Amino acid sequence: GNSVTQMEGPVTLSEEAFLTINCTYTATGYPSLFWYVQYPGEGLQLLLKATKADDKGSNKGFEATYRKETTSFHLEKGSVQVSDSAVYFCALSPNTGNQFYFGTGTSLTVIP
Amino acid sequence: NAGVTQTPKFQVLKTGQSMTLQCAQDMNHEYMSWYRQDPGMGLRLIHYSVGAGITDQGEVPNGYNVSRSTTEDFPLRLLSAAPSQTSVYFCASRSPNEKLFFGSGTQLSVL
Repeated sequence: GNSVTQMEGPVTLSEEAFLTINCTYTATGYPSLFWYVQYPGEGLQLLLKATKADDKGSNKGFEATYRKETTSFHLEKGSVQVSDSAVYFCALSPNTGNQFYFGTGTSLTVIP
Repeated sequence: NAGVTQTPKFQVLKTGQSMTLQCAQDMNHEYMSWYRQDPGMGLRLIHYSVGAGITDQGEVPNGYNVSRSTTEDFPLRLLSAAPSQTSVYFCASRSPNEKLFFGSGTQLSVL
């Protein structure tokens, strides 16, 4: 079956620290992989995506590389800001079917 | 651009009451879906639709009904609310390049 496992939070970092949020997946075939971000009181927004092995998605200083050999899609940012405080969700979309599968979310708080 | 619009933002129901959560999108997306978000559970798919007149069940469909009479609208109905349906509900549409667009959510409490 299809599933996504994220590192549990919450994560608290100081401004300008390095961020890694781990994400691993189980899927049949070759899924597309996503990171979504949810700011307080809002719906989720797409942060970045990758559609095939070794692709790197990037946006707003965040990066994630599609690693098929380790079935991983870890989110990284070199220097976090207070405005990055949010909940981050890893997700996959199988290449067949019409369902997205989300991880449980990781809450990030960045303190000045 | 409105995107995906959900109403209401907040709702309190008594056990056994019925209600409809409204969702509309103006991006002409064929695919629309409903999720519930619960602490520690992430987002779970309730129902989805790949076009007008076509709906299908997701991971947690029990207690919910949907219909899709137009491309724009995808309402979610609770026929007899239960405390287990206390949650935050999100509607989402999907673009052809697999990007999901979410509404701002409905926080539902069932007493």
